[in-house]
Amino acid sequence: NAGVTQTPKFQVLKTGQSMTLQCAQDMNHNSMYWYRQDPGMGLRLIYYSASEGTTDKGEVPNGYNVSRLNKREFSLRLESAAPSQTSVYFCASSRRDRDRDTEAFFGQGTRLTVV
Amino acid sequence: DAKTTQPTSMDCAEGRAANLPCNHSTISGNEYVYWYRQIHSQGPQYIIHGLKNNETNEMASLIITEDRKSSTLILPHATLRDTAVYYCIVRVASLFDYGGSQGNLIFGKGTKLSVKP
Repeated sequence: NAGVTQTPKFQVLKTGQSMTLQCAQDMNHNSMYWYRQDPGMGLRLIYYSASEGTTDKGEVPNGYNVSRLNKREFSLRLESAAPSQTSVYFCASSRRDRDRDTEAFFGQGTRLTVV
Repeated sequence: DAKTTQPTSMDCAEGRAANLPCNHSTISGNEYVYWYRQIHSQGPQYIIHGLKNNETNEMASLIITEDRKSSTLILPHATLRDTAVYYCIVRVASLFDYGGSQGNLIFGKGTKLSVKP
């Protein structure tokens, strides 16, 4: 099992450019998450998906869009990148146990710099 | 706002037990206590979770007070590789308790644990 795989691992964008961060999990998990982590800060939730076809905003959704393509994949899109979006982005997934989300597994992160 | 309060940093001698406290005085009856850690700039790693009873696994022990307003994560024999930021999180048990869709894994700033030789 690869667990949670994020691509790319590093990316540099110019202000105004767009890009999509990819995330895939092979654990058959229902829930998936996107977080960002700024230097010296904890993780902040951007978007969450409880199941295929459903997404919800987290703490800091502005400037981002997401797509839960299928059960395995959850992508994060920056339509017009801004320097304030320079951060490390983490994707995570968790299993559904009856009606409860269990522990989350995280990818290794995408380090994004917007210049 | 994060629902938990943790010390910003702690030190521990290698081979000794590391006891990391967490206050969650507003915890609800349907909320679990979860602990994660983040080593350097890697993705967070799940450690342990509990509801009411104390829990133990191969990584750590979790002690939850009877009133559930605080908990302590115990690493019984800390090693240099345990140096990390440790996050305590409270999380509702059921999807239906938070509307079935809103993400509920909210991180605070955590405790930076430094294990020293």
